[in-house]
Amino acid sequence: GAGVSQSPSNKVTEKGKDVELRCDPISGHTALYWYRQSLGQGLEFLIYFQGNSAPDKSGLPSDRFSAERTGGSVSTLTIQRTQQEDSAVYLCASSLYRGGTDTQYFGPGTRLTVL
Amino acid sequence: EDQVTQSPEALRLQEGESSSLNCSYTVSGLRGLFWYRQDPGKGPEFLFTLYSAGEEKEKERLKATLTKKESFLHITAPKPEDSATYLCAVHPSNYQLIWGAGTKLIIKP
Repeated sequence: GAGVSQSPSNKVTEKGKDVELRCDPISGHTALYWYRQSLGQGLEFLIYFQGNSAPDKSGLPSDRFSAERTGGSVSTLTIQRTQQEDSAVYLCASSLYRGGTDTQYFGPGTRLTVL
Repeated sequence: EDQVTQSPEALRLQEGESSSLNCSYTVSGLRGLFWYRQDPGKGPEFLFTLYSAGEEKEKERLKATLTKKESFLHITAPKPEDSATYLCAVHPSNYQLIWGAGTKLIIKP
């Protein structure tokens, strides 16, 4: 079946502009995660959605970052007033049940470059 | 503080030269440890989950083992297509995974 998909695959933007990154999880997966991966660094947790529960936003680095998940499926990560330090690969993952020991399946990521 | 450290940062091997990658961790109440493989420009690909000390899992040329303080990913007679970055992640008592920085493995033909 189809895996996790993300769009766009690459995004180049100017400092101060807003960007939206999209994630389509595997059909039927109730948990959805956003991570940020910088060069040479481990994955940094950003936000977690589980079903209809309130999302865990504890990893969002600033109030410029926000995310929503519509209809328990597609998710959008929005970064407002982008800064150069926001440049990274943004990865989305989904899992069948509540997170943790459930296997997370990742999309290919969106490479964001802020000039 | 929960922490995951992977070593070495990079490893270059000749084809057929076996070796091991290390993932050491300090977490409260380990509920699971994951190994993923990541190719350039792609998202991580799931390899294994280990739940308790003494557990071992194998897949082709890879074998993952777990102790109370660390996990090893053993690679036997590697091939160039095994070249990738290998990521380790642990699941502590809460539900967010903690990720290591990865080991970049290069297998030369």
